Amino acid sequence: ETGVTQTPRHLVMGMTNKKSLKCEQHLGHNAMYWYKQSAKKPLELMFVYSLEERVENNSVPSRFSPECPNSSHLFLHLHTLQPEDSALYLCASSPATGVYNEQFFGPGTRLTVL
Amino acid sequence: AQKITQTQPGMFVQEKEAVTLDCTYDTSDPSYGLFWYKQPSSGEMIFLIYQGSYDQQNATEGRYSLNFQKARKSANLVISASQLGDSAMYFCAMREGHFGNEKLTFGTGTRLTIIP
Repeated sequence: ETGVTQTPRHLVMGMTNKKSLKCEQHLGHNAMYWYKQSAKKPLELMFVYSLEERVENNSVPSRFSPECPNSSHLFLHLHTLQPEDSALYLCASSPATGVYNEQFFGPGTRLTVL
Repeated sequence: AQKITQTQPGMFVQEKEAVTLDCTYDTSDPSYGLFWYKQPSSGEMIFLIYQGSYDQQNATEGRYSLNFQKARKSANLVISASQLGDSAMYFCAMREGHFGNEKLTFGTGTRLTIIP
């Protein structure tokens, strides 16, 4: 398998549930990212990991908790979400963090919070 | 002020024609990078082209070229000889700052539909 994969592709959860999104990259990259894409809003960068260390956290609510156990895997743990958290969550990776690096994206997880 | 502005929410273009997607940006950082990504209906974002703020020439990648006008702070994407498979959302993005303190900002996108 190549590229960036994300599971599940679709997730429906209640506000009291706890769930996790998984991202895996098979590109040998050292940096991984979580983005939120809501309808009619720009893509929002949530978290950046470089060599398994979190380097950026864009004021994301604590109900979103990232985890990067190794450079190939990235998780986003979800708990007590709100309906406004419904969105497409995209994972990306790049060779390293840096101004000139393109990012490779996964297909996303479509999250619906009831 | 918006960091990245894409003024065309939607465009319809005849197959085989060229199309220009507009993007203007706002930054005071002298070192920055501009990206264009394509997002088909399947969801994944696909990198198309990159332009660095210090690059002397406009970037080109196959049928894609970037019309970089630094003084006007615009970075329009030009797609030559459009194809049906070009129908997708297109996002302009800007990376500014330095290693360890970078920001990546995306525009709201343009939905391009190619008409046979």
